Amino acid sequence: DAGITQSPRHKVTETGTPVTLRCHQTENHRYMYWYRQDPGHGLRLIHYSYGVKDTDKGEVSDGYSVSRSKTEDFLLTLESATSSQTSVYFCAILRRGSAGELFFGEGSRLTVL
Amino acid sequence: GQQLNQSPQSMFIQEGEDVSMNCTSSSIFNTWLWYKQEPGEGPVLLIALYKAGELTSNGRLTAQFGITRKDSFLNISASIPSDVGIYFCAGQGAGGTSYGKLTFGQGTILTVHP
Repeated sequence: DAGITQSPRHKVTETGTPVTLRCHQTENHRYMYWYRQDPGHGLRLIHYSYGVKDTDKGEVSDGYSVSRSKTEDFLLTLESATSSQTSVYFCAILRRGSAGELFFGEGSRLTVL
Repeated sequence: GQQLNQSPQSMFIQEGEDVSMNCTSSSIFNTWLWYKQEPGEGPVLLIALYKAGELTSNGRLTAQFGITRKDSFLNISASIPSDVGIYFCAGQGAGGTSYGKLTFGQGTILTVHP
């Protein structure tokens, strides 16, 4: 499972509240990613990180920010949650030595009411 | 952005049958990957393809990287009930800056009847 832990696994919140999802990995992987999964869209990249304090935007980054102050933790923050951000969020790491093989966490299901 | 068209959207088959699904893209990819996802879990990598024309097997699964670089195919032979799940294709562009920045298909939902 590549040592990935996501928390919380489930969260229900209200529109306008801030939300932070955490991805923790124990194997010192350099590259980490946040994807969201919605019916009919597959998975889409939100943000990614190539190392501590080195982050960049993906395809659907509006309304999200990330931080990576330690190698093992990659945080995804919704500053003011909206109903359109109801989704399942997956963290992933790039398999060491590979050129594109991602290993995913178990996901965090977020519902914004 | 780039889009992948994955088909079929769903399949209902009998145990023992072979399965084929494919992905097509309007753009060229340098890497194709196939994932399987079961309920409540994250996608699990099945096969990775890195070279146009490449044919790779993983047990009963065989995947091919299309020669045009714009498509990929996944075949499952002699399906069994545990093959049930959603199968996703994903493509990745060229260069180190593209690592892990995948474009996913919409998924194929596979149901296997015993």
